[in-house]
Amino acid sequence: QQPVQSPQAVILREGEDAVINCSSSKALYSVHWYRQKHGEAPVFLMILLKGGEQKGHEKISASFNEKKQQSSLYLTASQLSYSGTYFCGTEWGYSSASKIIFGSGTRLSIRP
Amino acid sequence: DGGITQSPKYLFRKEGQNVTLSCEQNLNHDAMYWYRQDPGQGLRLIYYSQIVNDFQKGDIAEGYSVSREKKESFPLTVTSAQKNPTAFYLCASSIAASGTGEQYFGPGTRLTVT
Repeated sequence: QQPVQSPQAVILREGEDAVINCSSSKALYSVHWYRQKHGEAPVFLMILLKGGEQKGHEKISASFNEKKQQSSLYLTASQLSYSGTYFCGTEWGYSSASKIIFGSGTRLSIRP
Repeated sequence: DGGITQSPKYLFRKEGQNVTLSCEQNLNHDAMYWYRQDPGQGLRLIYYSQIVNDFQKGDIAEGYSVSREKKESFPLTVTSAQKNPTAFYLCASSIAASGTGEQYFGPGTRLTVT
């Protein structure tokens, strides 16, 4: 039931673009994206709800394809500060008992 | 400042001992969560609570116990029944357990059991 993230790791030069994918075997209600720096707590990036809406924050944006049960995170013109491990978290229903299941993460390394 | 605190940052215990990890939030959030993270892996849900005096098991609850006697506190006890307790433990909270709330994470406790 854990969402599958790909790739597992990616190395970029500063200024290059990256796409991180998150796929689920079940229909999704929402997808959450977090970034974690080494030894630190994960930090929230964005939530995408059922409806295919694309969200963005500066040079980081994401899409949510309900039909394909997947979400993609886009990092444009990457900066050194983008380094870290990116996790997607999926939620399958809106209910008082819903919970987020996280993927195993994508490690992103940015080199000068 | 509002946020989540976890203590201690590092914890060392001998095998066979129970240990309690603290998690406190002053965000007035209803929902709280405990996750376990092993090196190079994602976050696995141990327990979560949507309201005081109520909590649910996550995916890896065996060997752990929790309590939620106050809205702001959600301590996790790692019991001697947990076969491989050494890990990084993260506590989180959100406004509500349902759908749309982002989760705020504490700084984590790194537990080493020898």
